[in-house]
Amino acid sequence: GQQLNQSPQSMFIQEGEDVSMNCTSSSIFNTWLWYKQEPGEGPVLLIALYKAGELTSNGRLTAQFGITRKDSFLNISASIPSDVGIYFCAGQLSWRDDKIIFGKGTRLHILP
Amino acid sequence: GAVVSQHPSWVICKSGTSVKIECRSLDFQATTMFWYRQFPKQSLMLMATSNEGSKATYEQGVEKDKFLINHASLTLSTLTVTSAHPEDSSFYICSARGVFEQGQHFGDGTRLSIL
Repeated sequence: GQQLNQSPQSMFIQEGEDVSMNCTSSSIFNTWLWYKQEPGEGPVLLIALYKAGELTSNGRLTAQFGITRKDSFLNISASIPSDVGIYFCAGQLSWRDDKIIFGKGTRLHILP
Repeated sequence: GAVVSQHPSWVICKSGTSVKIECRSLDFQATTMFWYRQFPKQSLMLMATSNEGSKATYEQGVEKDKFLINHASLTLSTLTVTSAHPEDSSFYICSARGVFEQGQHFGDGTRLSIL
């Protein structure tokens, strides 16, 4: 089946540093989504991308929909302690397909 | 906007009990709802997709008779884990998609522990 390869698996960074994570696939997606999940809670949608090449920001977060439609990245600038959590990329293959496929997640740890 | 409420948030029960989990879209109509299962430190695995008024579509390997899904209205879907056993212990999360949306909005999950 389709897979999303998300990297890195985990990150340990200093507060204030910028963060970058990405997802790639061998399949073409028509929508890319980035979610954040905190312990014991459901994922929260951070950014949705609908067009190839689209670059979208949400505060300190910036995400891009790759030109090939097979990849996406998420950047977090000037990280703060509340950024800690698991970040999942997710993709939707077609407008008719309701299902989204999740990456395995990037676990972000911030050192004081 | 786009709030999804899931209830209960935590269930502990004996083996053999059936457990019902509710998923409600509070401020929008959800044409489609999804049920996921998540094991510790793993990603979300889709169990089934349900559309209002029709039978759910289950993913390969998910037992329909074990995980009963009902989507009776545009704001409510339920997942019933029948005759639950310890191996059914997991974090179950629902999500909902509105009529004019592409992204899914997630509930806060239900932690199910079967003793």
